[in-house]
Amino acid sequence: GENVEQHPSTLSVQEGDSAVIKCTYSDSASNYFPWYKQELGKRPQLIIDIRSNVGEKKDQRIAVTLNKTAKHFSLHITETQPEDSAVYFCAADSWGKLQFGAGTQVVVTP
Amino acid sequence: NAGVTQTPKFQVLKTGQSMTLQCAQDMNHNSMYWYRQDPGMGLRLIYYSASEGTTDKGEVPNGYNVSRLNKREFSLRLESAAPSQTSVYFCASGGGLRETGELFFGEGSRLTVL
Repeated sequence: GENVEQHPSTLSVQEGDSAVIKCTYSDSASNYFPWYKQELGKRPQLIIDIRSNVGEKKDQRIAVTLNKTAKHFSLHITETQPEDSAVYFCAADSWGKLQFGAGTQVVVTP
Repeated sequence: NAGVTQTPKFQVLKTGQSMTLQCAQDMNHNSMYWYRQDPGMGLRLIYYSASEGTTDKGEVPNGYNVSRLNKREFSLRLESAAPSQTSVYFCASGGGLRETGELFFGEGSRLTVL
């Protein structure tokens, strides 16, 4: 089955700086890669996703890049703000099911 | 439009007791999922249902059973709870069938097994 590894497990950034989270996956058949944000005590919510026919996707301050050859994808958050503090999960699909990474705790300090 | 609703939100059980977590969605999604979330381990799939009438095991199915009652409802049952099943459980639904897409999660159910 699919195996998704996510790094780093924690990330502390100064407000206004950029944050980058990286994930690798094992199943070359995977073709859908979403990112979820989970605030403390809340449910995970989709913030951006990318399919394998696209190399990069942007939505305001967040972007995702995908390298299918190397089987890795990354989340980039620019101009971080305190409300970006949360746990972020990457995921890859495996036969219609999402396999999640272990999560990255992002802390944005003023 | 409530999205995904799961009950109960909190539950404390003694070892060996049984309980059922209920989940319902009003988005007409084909696929429904049960995940558990433990610190440092992300979201792990317990069971999923790609469509009404079908269920399949996920990554960590031992100790659980599920029922896809109809297109809207997908329940998770613990027949004999164990301390290792202490976790936060999330139900989710998504469009599914031909193409994986966004999952919509319920608010979560925090279960403690003593």
